[in-house]
Amino acid sequence: QSVLTQPPSVSSAPGQKVIISCSGTTSNIGNNYVSWYQQLPGTAPKLLIYDNDQRPSGIPDRFSGSKSGTSATLGITGLQTGDEADYYCGTWDGSLRAGVFGGGTKLTVV
Amino acid sequence: EVHLVESGGNLVQPGRSLRLSCAASGFNFGDSAMHWVRQGPGKGLEWVSGISWNSGSVNYADSVKGRFTISRDNAKNSLFLQMNSLRTEDTAFYYCAKSSGTSWYGVRYFDYWGQGILVTVSS
Repeated sequence: QSVLTQPPSVSSAPGQKVIISCSGTTSNIGNNYVSWYQQLPGTAPKLLIYDNDQRPSGIPDRFSGSKSGTSATLGITGLQTGDEADYYCGTWDGSLRAGVFGGGTKLTVV
Repeated sequence: EVHLVESGGNLVQPGRSLRLSCAASGFNFGDSAMHWVRQGPGKGLEWVSGISWNSGSVNYADSVKGRFTISRDNAKNSLFLQMNSLRTEDTAFYYCAKSSGTSWYGVRYFDYWGQGILVTVSS
């Protein structure tokens, strides 16, 4: 059971938009920055969004992040088949004194 | 370019020990907190342990506390994870990850990850 809650799967058509949610508590999301990671099949996770809404160099602006209260969202526009992957949210949990992740959301582009 | 390369994974019996290594390059290793994150087969990510830039502070997930020990050698740009009393539930890909800042405490994000190394615990 993951500390952060994500939907197990989402799907949308090429060119469309999708939003992935991540829910937590005041111990984690509510008082800390959120990051998002993309894990393509058979590869290591890759940083997609940091500090709630910042994109690392090289990440296209089709990817966006936001946070409100104890929830965060990842938005992906202009979906491509190459975006099919597992997406994880992550943050710090002050009560657990540990990094925590969501259970992951599998994105299907059909 | 940042590179993190894990090694030391293997098939081991329950109760035995294993030591993972992570060789770092492309950044100032001695200035960065480092972590181990694992992913069980078909499962999500689980933070395992973190160590501050100078080894002055470490922490562990409750699931491995007392069994695993994280350490680093800044002179050799290397991170380690000594895993003792291994259990079947420790079976996972283990990733070495760099975080922003010098401390594991309050980690904001993991900006670089290794390719992962498989540890299988089975009789």
